[in-house]
Amino acid sequence: KNEVEQSPQNLTAQEGEFITINCSYSVGISALHWLQQHPGGGIVSLFMLSSGKKKHGRLIATINIQEKHSSLHITASHPRDSAVYICAVKGGSQGNLIFGKGTKLSVKP
Amino acid sequence: NAGVTQTPKFRVLKTGQSMTLLCAQDMNHEYMYWYRQDPGMGLRLIHYSVGEGTTAKGEVPDGYNVSRLKKQNFLLGLESAAPSQTSVYFCASSSNRVGYTFGSGTRLTVV
Repeated sequence: KNEVEQSPQNLTAQEGEFITINCSYSVGISALHWLQQHPGGGIVSLFMLSSGKKKHGRLIATINIQEKHSSLHITASHPRDSAVYICAVKGGSQGNLIFGKGTKLSVKP
Repeated sequence: NAGVTQTPKFRVLKTGQSMTLLCAQDMNHEYMYWYRQDPGMGLRLIHYSVGEGTTAKGEVPDGYNVSRLKKQNFLLGLESAAPSQTSVYFCASSSNRVGYTFGSGTRLTVV
C-alpha cells in the first residue's frame, strides 16, 4: 500500500465547476504539500500546511491530522487550471517528501 | 530571483556515456534534492543534501553520484548511463521554514 494515496487519478470538469482532489496518508507527518505541474512543465508549490486550512485565490487546501486526510479545492475552475496536482507529505523535521502519484485535472471550456 | 535553475533542459545520451546535471539555487536554502519522475509513478528521491559538503542516499540512488561543494550548487552525475535512467529529473531546494522550490526539469533520454 502506498504511503500517500490520491483520488481521483483523473478528473474532467466543465469550466466553472467546483473541484475537489483528495489525499490520504498513512504516516505521521510534520507538513503536507500540494504541488501543481502543467504538461511538460515544472513543478510549482501551491501550499504547505500542517493544520487547518489555507486559501490562495481560487484554491483552498484543508488538512485533518486526526483522519490523515487533506483536500485541495478549486472554485470556479478554468481551463488554465488543467494540470497534474500532486500531494506530498514530510515525515518529520528531517524527513524527506513522500509523493502521491498525482491527479490529472482537465477543465473543459 | 531566479529560484532553482537546472541545466541542461534536454539531453540524449548513448548507453555507457557519462554526464553531469547542474542545479543552482539563489535562496540560501540548506536542503537540496534530486528527484526522478517516471510515467505512472510519483516523484522518487535519488540523493539529497542537508548542507554544504554533505550528501545522502534517497530511495533510488543506484547509478548516480552527487556532490555539494558549494551551498548553492548540487550536482548529479551519471557515470555510465543506462536506458533505465531515461527519465525527467527535478532538482529542488528547501529550508525549515518554507516549502520546496523546484527547478524546471531535465528531460534525459538514454539510447
